[in-house]
Amino acid sequence: AQKVTQAQTEISVVEKEDVTLDCVYETRDTTYYLFWYKQPPSGELVFLIRRNSFDEQNEISGRYSWNFQKSTSSFNFTITASQVVDSAVYFCALETSGTYKYIFGTGTRLKVLA
Amino acid sequence: GAGVSQSPSNKVTEKGKDVELRCDPISGHTALYWYRQSLGQGLEFLIYFQGNSAPDKSGLPSDRFSAERTGGSVSTLTIQRTQQEDSAVYLCASSQRSQETQYFGPGTRLLVL
Repeated sequence: AQKVTQAQTEISVVEKEDVTLDCVYETRDTTYYLFWYKQPPSGELVFLIRRNSFDEQNEISGRYSWNFQKSTSSFNFTITASQVVDSAVYFCALETSGTYKYIFGTGTRLKVLA
Repeated sequence: GAGVSQSPSNKVTEKGKDVELRCDPISGHTALYWYRQSLGQGLEFLIYFQGNSAPDKSGLPSDRFSAERTGGSVSTLTIQRTQQEDSAVYLCASSQRSQETQYFGPGTRLLVL
């Protein structure tokens, strides 16, 4: 069975704090893709990152970084020096090779307070 | 256009009526997907189109739901005899090819009274 778990329902931080959003996935496939999307209050899902299962290198993009660890089946997302504009719901998703359906986690609502 | 567009952005209808939701994918994208986002169910896959091939309807919740994609571009999702549990945000996504990154539209918020 494939599953994505985002155990943190809601997180509140004060601006400039660092925050990590957790994502744990389950799949028996050896080839798969992991994604993070941001859903701001406007509602549109914004693509942040796509990572394939063979690439465990961590990635940094500005204030965003991702930590992929196959040993713990986790793909965590860290925002450094958070800003109010980071307030949104963040979704982690899994797609296994040979399929096209995304399995989404339930999302983590991040509130960054000024 | 630059991104995936959906119309209408909001739709309020009465129980039992039919509704049509439209999706315009990113130009050149051959794959198109419909998802539903509701409070109780999170984001769930509904249907997938790849080019002109027959769609995978495995995610459609009931036979009241149908979708088509004309000319490999625009897609419409039709819900017949709407029920209150159909109330949700219906999201469309497209990708250049299947298994490539999916880009989502703003969604259609459907409320069935």
